[in-house]
Amino acid sequence: KAGVTQTPRYLIKTRGQQVTLSCSPISGHRSVSWYQQTPGQGLQFLFEYFSETQRNKGNFPGRFSGRQFSNSRSEMNVSTLELGDSALYLCASSLGSGTGRIADTEAFFGQGTRLTVV
Amino acid sequence: AQSVAQPEDQVNVAEGNPLTVKCTYSVSGNPYLFWYVQYPNRGLQFLLKYITGDNLVKGSYGFEAEFNKSQTSFHLKKPSALVSDSALYFCAVRDKYSGAGSYQLTFGKGTKLSVIP
Repeated sequence: KAGVTQTPRYLIKTRGQQVTLSCSPISGHRSVSWYQQTPGQGLQFLFEYFSETQRNKGNFPGRFSGRQFSNSRSEMNVSTLELGDSALYLCASSLGSGTGRIADTEAFFGQGTRLTVV
Repeated sequence: AQSVAQPEDQVNVAEGNPLTVKCTYSVSGNPYLFWYVQYPNRGLQFLLKYITGDNLVKGSYGFEAEFNKSQTSFHLKKPSALVSDSALYFCAVRDKYSGAGSYQLTFGKGTKLSVIP
Protein backbone atom coordinates (compact mmCIF):
# COMPACT_ATOMS: atom_id res chain seq x y z
CA LYS A 1 0.00 0.00 0.00
CA ALA A 2 1.56 3.28 -1.10
CA GLY A 3 2.18 5.91 1.55
CA VAL A 4 1.65 9.64 1.46
CA THR A 5 3.47 11.21 -1.46
CA GLN A 6 4.62 14.81 -1.45
CA THR A 7 6.14 16.58 -4.42
CA PRO A 8 8.53 18.13 -4.91
CA ARG A 9 10.92 17.09 -2.13
CA TYR A 10 12.99 20.25 -2.36
CA LEU A 11 12.28 23.76 -3.65
CA ILE A 12 14.26 26.96 -3.74
CA LYS A 13 12.29 30.13 -4.41
CA THR A 14 12.96 33.85 -4.35
CA ARG A 15 11.19 36.30 -2.07
CA GLY A 16 7.97 37.54 -3.62
CA GLN A 17 7.41 34.46 -5.72
CA GLN A 18 4.63 31.96 -5.16
CA VAL A 19 4.84 28.21 -4.76
CA THR A 20 2.52 25.22 -4.99
CA LEU A 21 3.12 22.00 -3.10
CA SER A 22 1.34 18.75 -3.81
CA CYS A 23 0.22 15.87 -1.62
CA SER A 24 -1.29 12.52 -2.60
CA PRO A 25 -2.81 10.78 0.42
CA ILE A 26 -3.03 7.08 1.09
CA SER A 27 -5.67 5.44 -1.07
CA GLY A 28 -9.03 5.60 0.67
CA HIS A 29 -8.05 8.43 3.00
CA ARG A 30 -10.29 11.46 2.67
CA SER A 31 -8.72 13.84 5.20
CA VAL A 32 -5.56 15.74 4.34
CA SER A 33 -3.82 18.10 6.76
CA TRP A 34 -0.84 20.36 6.24
CA TYR A 35 1.77 21.33 8.81
CA GLN A 36 4.73 23.68 8.77
CA GLN A 37 7.84 22.59 10.62
CA THR A 38 10.58 25.06 11.58
CA PRO A 39 13.36 24.81 14.18
CA GLY A 40 11.98 27.77 16.11
CA GLN A 41 8.23 27.11 16.04
CA GLY A 42 8.15 23.34 15.76
CA LEU A 43 5.17 21.74 14.02
CA GLN A 44 2.30 24.11 13.35
CA PHE A 45 -1.05 23.23 11.84
CA LEU A 46 -1.90 25.02 8.61
CA PHE A 47 -5.25 23.58 7.50
CA GLU A 48 -7.23 20.40 7.01
CA TYR A 49 -9.38 19.32 4.10
CA PHE A 50 -12.03 16.66 3.95
CA SER A 51 -14.05 15.86 0.83
CA GLU A 52 -12.82 19.00 -0.93
CA THR A 53 -13.88 21.25 1.97
CA GLN A 54 -11.58 23.10 4.33
CA ARG A 55 -12.65 21.88 7.74
CA ASN A 56 -10.18 23.71 9.95
CA LYS A 57 -7.52 26.38 9.60
CA GLY A 58 -4.53 27.30 11.72
CA ASN A 59 -3.22 30.74 12.55
CA PHE A 60 -1.43 31.60 9.31
CA PRO A 61 -1.82 34.63 7.03
CA GLY A 62 -4.02 34.52 3.97
CA ARG A 63 -0.95 34.03 1.77
CA PHE A 64 -1.23 30.37 2.72
CA SER A 65 -4.05 28.60 0.97
CA GLY A 66 -4.97 25.12 -0.07
CA ARG A 67 -7.45 22.98 -1.86
CA GLN A 68 -8.45 19.37 -2.22
CA PHE A 69 -9.55 17.61 -5.36
CA SER A 70 -12.22 14.97 -5.82
CA ASN A 71 -9.57 12.22 -5.71
CA SER A 72 -8.46 13.55 -2.27
CA ARG A 73 -5.16 14.88 -3.59
CA SER A 74 -4.34 18.23 -2.07
CA GLU A 75 -2.28 21.25 -2.93
CA MET A 76 -1.13 24.12 -0.81
CA ASN A 77 -0.09 27.47 -2.20
CA VAL A 78 2.00 30.18 -0.66
CA SER A 79 1.95 33.55 -2.40
CA THR A 80 4.37 36.46 -2.01
CA LEU A 81 6.98 34.31 -0.33
CA GLU A 82 8.93 35.68 2.63
CA LEU A 83 12.23 34.48 4.06
CA GLY A 84 10.36 33.25 7.13
CA ASP A 85 8.36 30.82 5.00
CA SER A 86 11.45 28.62 4.69
CA ALA A 87 10.43 25.38 6.34
CA LEU A 88 9.63 21.72 5.94
CA TYR A 89 6.00 21.40 4.86
CA LEU A 90 4.40 18.14 5.88
CA CYS A 91 1.22 16.61 4.62
CA ALA A 92 -0.72 14.05 6.64
CA SER A 93 -3.59 11.84 5.59
CA SER A 94 -6.22 10.15 7.72
CA LEU A 95 -9.28 8.06 7.02
CA GLY A 96 -11.50 10.92 8.08
CA SER A 97 -15.15 10.95 8.98
CA GLY A 98 -18.01 12.83 7.39
CA THR A 99 -20.35 12.52 10.34
CA GLY A 100 -18.80 15.18 12.54
CA ARG A 101 -17.45 12.60 14.96
CA ILE A 102 -13.71 12.35 15.22
CA ALA A 103 -12.41 8.88 14.50
CA ASP A 104 -9.50 7.66 16.53
CA THR A 105 -7.29 6.89 13.58
CA GLU A 106 -3.75 8.11 13.40
CA ALA A 107 -2.41 10.43 10.73
CA PHE A 108 0.20 9.23 8.26
CA PHE A 109 2.78 11.72 7.13
CA GLY A 110 4.62 12.22 3.88
CA GLN A 111 8.35 12.91 3.76
CA GLY A 112 7.72 16.60 3.34
CA THR A 113 8.73 19.35 0.97
CA ARG A 114 11.74 21.39 2.04
CA LEU A 115 11.10 24.98 0.91
CA THR A 116 13.94 27.45 0.98
CA VAL A 117 13.21 31.10 0.27
CA VAL A 118 16.20 33.25 -0.70
CA ALA B 1 -7.37 25.18 23.42
CA GLN B 2 -5.25 22.07 23.50
CA SER B 3 -1.52 22.04 24.21
CA VAL B 4 1.36 19.62 24.65
CA ALA B 5 4.56 20.06 26.63
CA GLN B 6 7.73 18.06 26.20
CA PRO B 7 9.89 19.39 29.01
CA GLU B 8 13.19 17.99 27.76
CA ASP B 9 14.76 19.27 24.55
CA GLN B 10 17.27 16.41 24.64
CA VAL B 11 17.54 13.05 26.34
CA ASN B 12 20.77 11.06 26.38
CA VAL B 13 20.77 7.39 27.31
CA ALA B 14 23.32 4.59 27.06
CA GLU B 15 22.58 1.72 24.72
CA GLY B 16 20.81 -1.10 26.55
CA ASN B 17 19.44 1.17 29.27
CA PRO B 18 15.75 1.99 29.61
CA LEU B 19 14.60 5.28 28.12
CA THR B 20 11.78 7.68 28.94
CA VAL B 21 10.65 10.68 26.91
CA LYS B 22 8.22 12.86 28.81
CA CYS B 23 4.98 14.43 27.61
CA THR B 24 2.19 16.29 29.37
CA TYR B 25 -0.96 17.57 27.73
CA SER B 26 -3.88 19.90 28.23
CA VAL B 27 -7.28 19.50 26.57
CA SER B 28 -10.79 20.51 27.49
CA GLY B 29 -12.23 17.05 27.01
CA ASN B 30 -10.96 13.52 26.67
CA PRO B 31 -7.72 13.29 24.70
CA TYR B 32 -6.50 11.20 21.88
CA LEU B 33 -2.71 10.97 22.35
CA PHE B 34 -0.03 10.03 19.85
CA TRP B 35 3.72 9.57 19.63
CA TYR B 36 5.61 10.10 16.40
CA VAL B 37 9.29 9.75 15.54
CA GLN B 38 11.21 11.74 12.95
CA TYR B 39 14.53 10.77 11.43
CA PRO B 40 16.69 13.42 9.70
CA ASN B 41 15.14 14.84 6.52
CA ARG B 42 12.15 12.57 6.82
CA GLY B 43 8.49 12.90 7.69
CA LEU B 44 6.90 11.72 10.91
CA GLN B 45 6.41 8.02 11.59
CA PHE B 46 3.57 6.89 13.82
CA LEU B 47 4.67 4.93 16.91
CA LEU B 48 1.60 4.47 19.08
CA LYS B 49 -1.64 6.01 20.28
CA TYR B 50 -3.89 6.11 23.30
CA ILE B 51 -7.60 6.29 22.66
CA THR B 52 -9.26 4.60 25.60
CA GLY B 53 -8.93 1.54 27.77
CA ASP B 54 -5.67 0.14 29.12
CA ASN B 55 -3.36 2.91 30.32
CA LEU B 56 -0.27 1.10 29.01
CA VAL B 57 -0.12 1.22 25.24
CA LYS B 58 2.31 -0.83 23.18
CA GLY B 59 3.55 0.36 19.82
CA SER B 60 6.11 -0.14 17.10
CA TYR B 61 9.79 -1.02 17.58
CA GLY B 62 9.34 -2.05 21.22
CA PHE B 63 8.08 1.34 22.39
CA GLU B 64 5.26 1.74 24.89
CA ALA B 65 3.61 4.67 26.60
CA GLU B 66 1.73 5.11 29.83
CA PHE B 67 -1.34 7.31 30.02
CA ASN B 68 -1.89 8.97 33.38
CA LYS B 69 -5.09 10.98 33.51
CA SER B 70 -4.53 12.51 36.94
CA GLN B 71 -1.09 13.79 35.94
CA THR B 72 -2.19 14.53 32.35
CA SER B 73 0.90 12.73 31.13
CA PHE B 74 1.71 10.32 28.34
CA HIS B 75 5.37 9.35 28.70
CA LEU B 76 7.09 7.25 26.03
CA LYS B 77 9.22 4.36 27.25
CA LYS B 78 11.40 1.54 26.02
CA PRO B 79 13.01 -1.10 28.24
CA SER B 80 16.30 -1.28 26.31
CA ALA B 81 17.48 1.54 24.03
CA LEU B 82 19.17 0.95 20.69
CA VAL B 83 21.53 3.31 18.87
CA SER B 84 19.04 3.23 15.98
CA ASP B 85 16.41 4.79 18.29
CA SER B 86 18.30 8.09 18.10
CA ALA B 87 15.87 10.53 16.51
CA LEU B 88 13.43 13.35 17.24
CA TYR B 89 10.29 12.32 19.11
CA PHE B 90 7.02 14.21 19.08
CA CYS B 91 4.03 13.85 21.35
CA ALA B 92 0.71 15.02 19.92
CA VAL B 93 -2.84 15.42 21.17
CA ARG B 94 -6.20 15.70 19.54
CA ASP B 95 -9.20 16.76 21.56
CA LYS B 96 -11.91 14.17 21.03
CA TYR B 97 -14.45 16.89 20.42
CA SER B 98 -12.45 19.68 18.84
CA GLY B 99 -13.98 21.28 15.81
CA ALA B 100 -16.47 19.84 13.40
CA GLY B 101 -14.75 16.53 12.96
CA SER B 102 -11.39 18.22 12.62
CA TYR B 103 -8.23 16.13 12.56
CA GLN B 104 -6.00 18.90 13.86
CA LEU B 105 -3.11 17.56 15.88
CA THR B 106 -1.28 19.75 18.36
CA PHE B 107 2.35 18.77 18.74
CA GLY B 108 4.93 19.26 21.43
CA LYS B 109 8.23 20.93 20.52
CA GLY B 110 9.94 17.58 20.21
CA THR B 111 12.63 15.78 22.20
CA LYS B 112 15.90 14.75 20.62
CA LEU B 113 16.88 11.31 21.81
CA SER B 114 20.52 10.31 21.60
CA VAL B 115 21.45 6.72 22.40
CA ILE B 116 25.14 6.43 23.16
CA PRO B 117 26.92 3.20 22.19
